[in-house]
Amino acid sequence: AQTVTQSQPEMSVQEAETVTLSCTYDTSESNYYLFWYKQPPSRQMILVIRQEAYKQQNATENRFSVNFQKAAKSFSLKISDSQLGDTAMYFCAFMRYSGGGADGLTFGKGTHLIIQP
Amino acid sequence: GAGVSQSPSNKVTEKGKDVELRCDPISGHTALYWYRQSLGQGLEFLIYFQGNSAPDKSGLPSDRFSAERTGGSVSTLTIQRTQQEDSAVYLCASSLIGIAYEQYFGPGTRLTVT
Repeated sequence: AQTVTQSQPEMSVQEAETVTLSCTYDTSESNYYLFWYKQPPSRQMILVIRQEAYKQQNATENRFSVNFQKAAKSFSLKISDSQLGDTAMYFCAFMRYSGGGADGLTFGKGTHLIIQP
Repeated sequence: GAGVSQSPSNKVTEKGKDVELRCDPISGHTALYWYRQSLGQGLEFLIYFQGNSAPDKSGLPSDRFSAERTGGSVSTLTIQRTQQEDSAVYLCASSLIGIAYEQYFGPGTRLTVT
């Protein structure tokens, strides 16, 4: 079984600052993806970024980037130039896959990120 | 295009009653997932449908929970004899197989058992 750990229940930064959210995971699987999802107060889960485990290059999506350390089983999310709209719960998630499909996501407990004006 | 839709958005029911929650996935998505989100347990996987294969029911918490997917599209999650601990937000997600397996979530159904 996989586990995902987010050690920061809540973080608060000023607008325009850079913030890093931590995530570690534990698995014996070889084929997997890692994701960061954002859940604003509206409750809608939104995919922020994904990382294929077999890729060494860190994924980036505009202001969002990850630091993927496979050997350390670490997957942190960096948000640059933070904006008020980034205020939300952020969930790190693990997904195992095979040729036949993919399992359900295993989520961490989440980090509540607050961007202060 | 249309995203994943769920109905109802909110449901209040009395303990012991049965409830049905509905999920309409994105058209063409062959995989469908149900999750439960509660304060105490966080986000938990419940069940997974892929095409015509037998569903992965490994996350269902008890035999009071069941789900079906008709015609490879709409899915219904049924909770029988509801208990107060079933109060949670139930999220549905769908995905294509092989396209990074990205899951797209619906807005959820908030279930309150009184």
